Amino acid sequence: SQQGEEDPQALSIQEGENATMNCSYKTSINNLQWYRQNSGRGLVHLILIRSNEREKHSGRLRVTLDTSKKSSSLLITASRAADTASYFCATGSIDYKLSFGAGTTVTVRA
Amino acid sequence: NAGVTQTPKFRVLKTGQSMTLLCAQDMNHEYMYWYRQDPGMGLRLIHYSVGEGTTAKGEVPDGYNVSRLKKQNFLLGLESAAPSQTSVYFCASSYPRAWELFFGEGSRLTVL
Repeated sequence: SQQGEEDPQALSIQEGENATMNCSYKTSINNLQWYRQNSGRGLVHLILIRSNEREKHSGRLRVTLDTSKKSSSLLITASRAADTASYFCATGSIDYKLSFGAGTTVTVRA
Repeated sequence: NAGVTQTPKFRVLKTGQSMTLLCAQDMNHEYMYWYRQDPGMGLRLIHYSVGEGTTAKGEVPDGYNVSRLKKQNFLLGLESAAPSQTSVYFCASSYPRAWELFFGEGSRLTVL
């Protein structure tokens, strides 16, 4: 069964706007990761946040983690057309297996 | 540097036929994984391997077999394909006790 669930399922924004998507999970985790998938391609790792961290930044990406609420958010600032993709959260447990959510499809309009 | 390479990229099978998907990685990764991706369901783990000669079941292993005879290769087999196995299959690899997965470009399988 899926551990993570993303919300919303789809998001459409104007170029230059920020995009925010959320991920909720059910059981305790070691870490939470976000991946991007462009249409017809494989997944690419974006960022990892450990269970003892609350916020992490990488370029235009900001990830937060609230273990008390079992939730995470991914913020993409100043979006570009190239950010159009599906974004997946994945939770890591102590057995080194990742469990993926169903993803959020982001469309950035020019 | 090729990373993770999957072959074939596309395949159409008839129900009952068999086939093997090959995954090759050139990063000397110990861990390798096979996932399937279906619309609205994200990625589900089929089988994985933590080293040469080892395999283990994931979330949805039924109808699939795997082998890891060489460290760089991870094979996924379908002995008797069913329409329910129509999906996009992704191979991934990682270092031991590391968390970042490196994915291949996927293999799109259609079973008629």
